[in-house]
Amino acid sequence: EVQLVESGGGLVQPGRSLRLSCAASGFIFDDYSMHWVRQAPGKGLEWVSGIHWNSGVKDYGDSVRGRFTISRDNAKNSLYLQMNSLRPEDTALYYCTKGTSGTSWYDFEYWGQGALVTVSS
Amino acid sequence: QSALTQPPSASGSPGQSVTISCTGTSSDVGAYNYVSWYQQHPGKAPKLIISEVNKRPSGVPDRFSGSKSGNTASLTVSGLQAEDEADYYCNSYAGGTKLVFGGGTKLTVL
Repeated sequence: EVQLVESGGGLVQPGRSLRLSCAASGFIFDDYSMHWVRQAPGKGLEWVSGIHWNSGVKDYGDSVRGRFTISRDNAKNSLYLQMNSLRPEDTALYYCTKGTSGTSWYDFEYWGQGALVTVSS
Repeated sequence: QSALTQPPSASGSPGQSVTISCTGTSSDVGAYNYVSWYQQHPGKAPKLIISEVNKRPSGVPDRFSGSKSGNTASLTVSGLQAEDEADYYCNSYAGGTKLVFGGGTKLTVL
């Protein structure tokens, strides 16, 4: 059974940093691209960042580019999102999602339950 | 990259069919057969129900179907059931490492 378990969320002041982690199990982690998708309270889905199976390609949504960094450790079956210079508008539930191939950038086949990040003073 | 356009709401009675549209541009929906649809119940994570315009992942009822014409993709739910009441989101590949989501549609089963 595929499982994606996010951790690291919490309340943080504007301008500070936070690091999200996603522990994956139930599939061959290094065979798949992975992504972060967020959902602000009462709002729709927004793609945040994605990474190919071998970390050879990474990219970010315009609203987080330059502030967030995605990474993965295939030996630990883990995905990360380093979030710096956080803003109130970054407040959201952050989902870890699995692609459908090593380089897929459009299908999110499995989702975790999300990590809540609240940016407020 | 602008969000794809979905109607905010849709509704239908049990047993009826409902179609939800997802309109993009010639750079995303119109350019690629990589449109996906997700179902999200309140308080739950989204679930992939349609990939690559019209492919249903294993376990998704065949009441759900997808199609595309030009820059507009559509999700049709046939034989509406109470459990189909949820939010529905589309997304589309837009080339390179670009992808865009729709704003979501709240489906109400009357």
